[in-house]
Amino acid sequence: DTEVTQTPKHLVMGMTNKKSLKCEQHMGHRAMYWYKQKAKKPPELMFVYSYEKLSINESVPSRFSPECPNSSLLNLHLHALQPEDSALYLCASSQRTGLTYEQYFGPGTRLTVT
Amino acid sequence: AQTVTQSQPEMSVQEAETVTLSCTYDTSESDYYLFWYKQPPSRQMILVIRQEAYKQQNATENRFSVNFQKAAKSFSLKISDSQLGDAAMYFCAYRRNYGGATNKLIFGTGTLLAVQP
Repeated sequence: DTEVTQTPKHLVMGMTNKKSLKCEQHMGHRAMYWYKQKAKKPPELMFVYSYEKLSINESVPSRFSPECPNSSLLNLHLHALQPEDSALYLCASSQRTGLTYEQYFGPGTRLTVT
Repeated sequence: AQTVTQSQPEMSVQEAETVTLSCTYDTSESDYYLFWYKQPPSRQMILVIRQEAYKQQNATENRFSVNFQKAAKSFSLKISDSQLGDAAMYFCAYRRNYGGATNKLIFGTGTLLAVQP
């Protein structure tokens, strides 16, 4: 099973709302990633978790708050977002964070901020 | 800083024909990996092929092969016997070894491949 699942598939939220994106994998991977992808652009790395600890934060605004409650689950908590935050949010996982480990991507959550 | 450049925003190929997608990168590192990812309209990113920089032999995966020119910092993808299911956005990506707990993929801007029946 090489599947990364993400819920919800689509999310529409107002600028004052609080919502969360969820990512799950059951491959025993210990590294998990959040990417943001705007239309017709490449994914941009936001956060990396290694063994449930945050190892990379790419200077992401604090209105995005990641959480890794266990080795299988990764959340992205959203609060007071701006319309320019509308994008596809991709989750990925890999066995470890080392160079040789392939990243497996989920299908993404399409977020629209109104 | 490492950069990845894909100079072909869009490409088109006839079914059963061969197409080559270009990618160049800039790095001062010697230990790195290069990847081609495919993102079909369903949006799930899939790894197509990867190349380890220290290996001179070009990687192949069925109908997909690469032409890795390390000195020229070039990494092109050749798709043979193109199929309708190959239609997708293709991203070239670079990853270097930062050591330990960090691992970052740097993507090019993508090439949108259309396959004509």
